[in-house]
Amino acid sequence: GAGVSQSPSNKVTEKGKDVELRCDPISGHTALYWYRQSLGQGLEFLIYFQGNSAPDKSGLPSDRFSAERTGGSVSTLTIQRTQQEDSAVYLCASSRTSGGHEQYFGPGTRLTVT
Amino acid sequence: AQSVTQLDSHVSVSEGTPVLLRCNYSSSYSPSLFWYVQHPNKGLQLLLKYTSAATLVKGINGFEAEFKKSETSFHLTKPSAHMSDAAEYFCVVREDNYGQNFVFGPGTRLSVLP
Repeated sequence: GAGVSQSPSNKVTEKGKDVELRCDPISGHTALYWYRQSLGQGLEFLIYFQGNSAPDKSGLPSDRFSAERTGGSVSTLTIQRTQQEDSAVYLCASSRTSGGHEQYFGPGTRLTVT
Repeated sequence: AQSVTQLDSHVSVSEGTPVLLRCNYSSSYSPSLFWYVQHPNKGLQLLLKYTSAATLVKGINGFEAEFKKSETSFHLTKPSAHMSDAAEYFCVVREDNYGQNFVFGPGTRLSVLP
């Protein structure tokens, strides 16, 4: 079956521009997660959705970052007024809600801010 | 609250020798535990998971891990390293029963020498 997909796979943008990153989770997965991975670093948790609501936004690094999820499916992560330090790979994952279920990761979007 | 410690940021072994990647966790409740692998420029792939069944868990590619509650450990092992095992490995803890947050360790980079 289809896995988690993300688009675009690569995005180069100029400093100050806004970008939107998209995630399509596995069908039926109610939980969706966004992470950021900088070069050679571990995963930095950004935000978690349960259905369309986001009970945990604690990882968003600044108010320039926002995310939404509609129809319990597709999610978009928006970064406004991008800065060079936003350059990273943005990973999306989905899972079933109940305990014991693992996350399935998408291939990521590599964002480069010039 | 959960936390994960991966004691070694980098492990180097010779091909054909055993692999040991260490992971210790803290959790207030019965955790689920996972190991993920990330090959260079690739997505995250689940190696194995522990969800309160057998304490010795077998995963893909000959890896296994043992859950030791008394030691709060979930170390990853493989009897004989292969060149293709060179990658970044992440230990992850998730608390059961609506514990939506997956907490990632900082990762261990495994190098395999010929």
